[in-house]
Amino acid sequence: QIVLTQSPAIMSASPGEKVTMTCSASSSVSYMHWYQQKSGTSPKRWIYDTSKLASGVPARFSGSGSGTSYSLTISSMEAEDAATYYCQQWSSNPPTFGAGTKLELK
Amino acid sequence: QVQLQQSGAELARPGASVKMSCKASGYTFTSYTMHWVKQRPGQGLEWIGYINPSSGYTNYNQKFKDKATLTADKSSSTAYMQLSSLTSEDTAVYYCAREVRRAMDYWGQGTSVTVSS
Repeated sequence: QIVLTQSPAIMSASPGEKVTMTCSASSSVSYMHWYQQKSGTSPKRWIYDTSKLASGVPARFSGSGSGTSYSLTISSMEAEDAATYYCQQWSSNPPTFGAGTKLELK
Repeated sequence: QVQLQQSGAELARPGASVKMSCKASGYTFTSYTMHWVKQRPGQGLEWIGYINPSSGYTNYNQKFKDKATLTADKSSSTAYMQLSSLTSEDTAVYYCAREVRRAMDYWGQGTSVTVSS
């Protein structure tokens, strides 16, 4: 199965700061999806097909990448962005998730 | 609006089984595959498997092949997951999630399962 490695595992950012987190796949994948999860709540689809923002996701978020390297970027950190972000692939079976990047507000 | 309403928390003894439900509303139940995902306390997400409610076809993560059984009732737009031979390793929150184009676009609120003697 394809292993997704997210880095960093934990990070903190100040309001207004640019944030970038990465997801590295053990084999090439065609696309990546990202989910946001806040403590005690269900995950939410956040970015799909590598770069498309889900409904309601602020435009300060963006996704990019190809092959084995993907990233999620926040152009200017806001307090509401503090959460854990998971990447997910299903280019090959089984679908797999990364271990998550926990983003904290500094 | 799309909603996935999951059944309530379960407390079970080791060796027992539990069956949880996920009632879909706001869309045509048989038009979308339903996935199940496990999240242990403080841990990440783990894919269990999916069911096609229209055909009943299932696909499981090999790790959960002998643990989970997925079914669906078209008449009530409800998906079910049964977990058998429970151990402490099964203590987790379990989510159902609707799939669209290989991503999970709507998630239930989760069912907490605690396995304890």
